[in-house]
Amino acid sequence: DAKTTQPPSMDCAEGRAANLPCNHSTISGNEYVYWYRQIHSQGPQYIIHGLKNNETNEMASLIITEDRKSSTLILPHATLRDTAVYYCIVRVGYNTDKLIFGTGTRLQVFP
Amino acid sequence: DGGITQSPKYLFRKEGQNVTLSCEQNLNHDAMYWYRQDPGQGLRLIYYSQIVNDFQKGDIAEGYSVSREKKESFPLTVTSAQKNPTAFYLCASTQWREAFFGQGTRLTVV
Repeated sequence: DAKTTQPPSMDCAEGRAANLPCNHSTISGNEYVYWYRQIHSQGPQYIIHGLKNNETNEMASLIITEDRKSSTLILPHATLRDTAVYYCIVRVGYNTDKLIFGTGTRLQVFP
Repeated sequence: DGGITQSPKYLFRKEGQNVTLSCEQNLNHDAMYWYRQDPGQGLRLIYYSQIVNDFQKGDIAEGYSVSREKKESFPLTVTSAQKNPTAFYLCASTQWREAFFGQGTRLTVV
């Protein structure tokens, strides 16, 4: 079963920050939080991952709470091309892990 | 460039026929996965393989079969026992914290 819970959908105005929450209250100490996104009928695209510190790359920022039970993906200046389904998953990263997806959040960016 | 190749992109088959979807990776990844996606739904795990000559059932394995004879290849057969095979199928591979996905095969059974 998926170890994460996300809202099914969110809207965001173009140019504004999109903040996508994820609950992972049963996360283990050695599990990383990963974010992927899937644009319609394509393979998922990696966005970012983190263990306990906040992370930032050219695509997004990842904020993980101190207790690690939830996280937020931030797209600082959303564009129409960011409209996609965003998946939050947790895994250690060993090859023995199953790569399990939840239902994700459908982000709609509007003009 | 390294990556995952799924073929074909679109596949049409008659009801009752078995069909095999191809997934090839040149990333030297040990683990490979097959997912099914229905319209407006998330990714559901069909089968996964952590090493050559070994594979395990995922959440929805009934009506599907796989093989892993080579590290780079993980074909999925949709059998006639699968009651509703029309869907989008995605293949993935992982190695430690790295995960890559193919571009998918859309299977339509008529």
